[in-house]
Amino acid sequence: DTGVSQNPRHKITKRGQNVTFRCDPISEHNRLYWYRQTLGQGPEFLTYFQNEAQLEKSRLLSDRFSAERPKGSFSTLEIQRTEQGDSAMYLCASRSQGATEAFFGQGTRLTVV
Amino acid sequence: ELKVEQNPLFLSMQEGKNYTIYCNYSTTSDRLYWYRQDPGKSLESLFVLLSNGAVKQEGRLMASLDTKARLSTLHITAAVHDLSATYFCAVDMLMNTGNQFYFGTGTSLTVIP
Repeated sequence: DTGVSQNPRHKITKRGQNVTFRCDPISEHNRLYWYRQTLGQGPEFLTYFQNEAQLEKSRLLSDRFSAERPKGSFSTLEIQRTEQGDSAMYLCASRSQGATEAFFGQGTRLTVV
Repeated sequence: ELKVEQNPLFLSMQEGKNYTIYCNYSTTSDRLYWYRQDPGKSLESLFVLLSNGAVKQEGRLMASLDTKARLSTLHITAAVHDLSATYFCAVDMLMNTGNQFYFGTGTSLTVIP
């Protein structure tokens, strides 16, 4: 499978717990994006990497959220002390620099109970 | 801040009918994308529009872009049930650190047999 891969697909966690999601982009893509989508809304930008550098972070990314892309390949998104408002679909996308199209993964659906 | 607005938000139409979804955006961009999303699934790329006056067609769907009016349309011809989904437009903005997608609110389409 050469598409964008996200794991896990679903995560149910208790409020206050920490969770970590992983995104494996298409191998030659140096740009990686994280989005959050709540029910009935469009995806909202969270953060963006070019290679291993995190170049942009949304105001939505509170200090409980941290993202890394240590070797410029896969990325992780960690949410600490989860809240019910964090329940959403977390989408990862990747594309090559200069390319017109981005490719989205299947997403990780987080439910905080 | 860039705003991307779609209308209608909800659309219920009978099979065989035609309809148009509109996407307005608030700042200059000459790259616009249309995505389809089925419930619980990720985003499927439908069209990439890269210049003023661009028109693309695939099956019963046709998308166009007017960058001067900051408007894109997604026209549905002779709708069939399989087209039921949520459709998003997204504007590709060049920021200081690279490109980012800004998504519209989505149009939830239900095609009634």
